[in-house]
Amino acid sequence: DGGITQSPKYLFRKEGQNVTLSCEQNLNHDAMYWYRQDPGQGLRLIYYSQIVNDFQKGDIAEGYSVSREKKESFPLTVTSAQKNPTAFYLCASSRGPDTGELFFGEGSRLTVL
Amino acid sequence: GDSVTQMEGPVTLSEEAFLTINCTYTATGYPSLFWYVQYPGEGLQLLLKATKADDKGSNKGFEATYRKETTSFHLEKGSVQVSDSAVYFCALSESGYAGGTSYGKLTFGQGTILTVHP
Repeated sequence: DGGITQSPKYLFRKEGQNVTLSCEQNLNHDAMYWYRQDPGQGLRLIYYSQIVNDFQKGDIAEGYSVSREKKESFPLTVTSAQKNPTAFYLCASSRGPDTGELFFGEGSRLTVL
Repeated sequence: GDSVTQMEGPVTLSEEAFLTINCTYTATGYPSLFWYVQYPGEGLQLLLKATKADDKGSNKGFEATYRKETTSFHLEKGSVQVSDSAVYFCALSESGYAGGTSYGKLTFGQGTILTVHP
């Protein structure tokens, strides 16, 4: 079955450490996105990519980095510069940048100890 | 910028009750509107959508009508079930151009927690 796979599902990190969240899709979608979900705040866009080797900052990109070396993969690195990294992170993809219809992974919950 | 405002939750209903979750938006252009649902421990799934004014989106007994005059997209269901318990997100899609490339992204509301009791 086609879909989006995020890993790990749960991750614990010590302060000052970088951590990378994986996102892989086999839907042959061009566009991929990373959202952060906090209680009572909905989803906020971190980064998005419309095509391989290209990506743009979203609304809350500070302290995060991404790469898009392959169409199927869009990993997110949460760096030590992110002041409040504890959150639920959701990866999504869409057929194209204008459809607005996103397909989501099951999410990764990051907890900073 | 564009924004989406949902009614504050949580919402608690008995099975077979009528559901309304209000959603209003602010946008400069003519966005598409969406409702997404998130079941416990899962990612979001598209529930329904409407791409232009007066369109009605529907799925699984849920409905929402794109009202441009009131900038609203309220979600309704005539008879809820326990299995409808989830978080519901209203969202709008904007599109445009940057650096010669078209782009689109979703702006989400804060989500409304729905709990349905037997």
